[in-house]
Amino acid sequence: SAVISQKPSRDICQRGTSLTIQCQVDSQVTMMFWYRQQPGQSLTLIATANQGSEATYESGFVIDKFPISRPNLTFSTLTVSNMSPEDSSIYLCSVARGALSTEAFFGQGTRLTVV
Amino acid sequence: AQSVTQLGSHVSVSEGALVLLRCNYSSSVPPYLFWYVQYPNQGLQLLLKYTTGATLVKGINGFEAEFKKSETSFHLTKPSAHMSDAAEYFCAVSLAGSARQLTFGSGTQLTVLP
Repeated sequence: SAVISQKPSRDICQRGTSLTIQCQVDSQVTMMFWYRQQPGQSLTLIATANQGSEATYESGFVIDKFPISRPNLTFSTLTVSNMSPEDSSIYLCSVARGALSTEAFFGQGTRLTVV
Repeated sequence: AQSVTQLGSHVSVSEGALVLLRCNYSSSVPPYLFWYVQYPNQGLQLLLKYTTGATLVKGINGFEAEFKKSETSFHLTKPSAHMSDAAEYFCAVSLAGSARQLTFGSGTQLTVLP
């Protein structure tokens, strides 16, 4: 298994500001992903964080709104920029050890409320 | 492209009764299928997965699921519900070959009644 630490666990932010969420894994992993879980909804993949290159975004998500960094094989950040109340969600980091891994591990999530 | 449909956003069972959570999938290639559980204010925990081989898979906490290709289903069952099973359950599918880029169902909230 992989132990994933996400920070912060929750935050309340003013609209128009930005929040950076950190994801730290206890061992090197090949794949890191960011998901969003809107209130009462399922999880939606935002992007795949690629080490040393730009993240790969899913349809409906753009780099200007959700910039992602991945400086090494154990760490990634997701920034939620210029926040609005519609960004209030749980943001989850997920990892898979290899490109062909059959199991993905999830962090505890960051519960974001925008007021 | 793949998709997942979970029938029943809320399921209630009595303690000791059978738990049945339904999941149907759509995939253009042989799928990998997963069930995750999410307890309040926590992340997701993998219950079980189907990749290849035996179609009946057993997971943690007494849960099991059967992959039925002809019915494109992967229903989750547990013979006897326990109060601690109350949680949100998500079925997910990924393209064969990896657990990356999971597509999740809408989730089923399981309530266990005393």
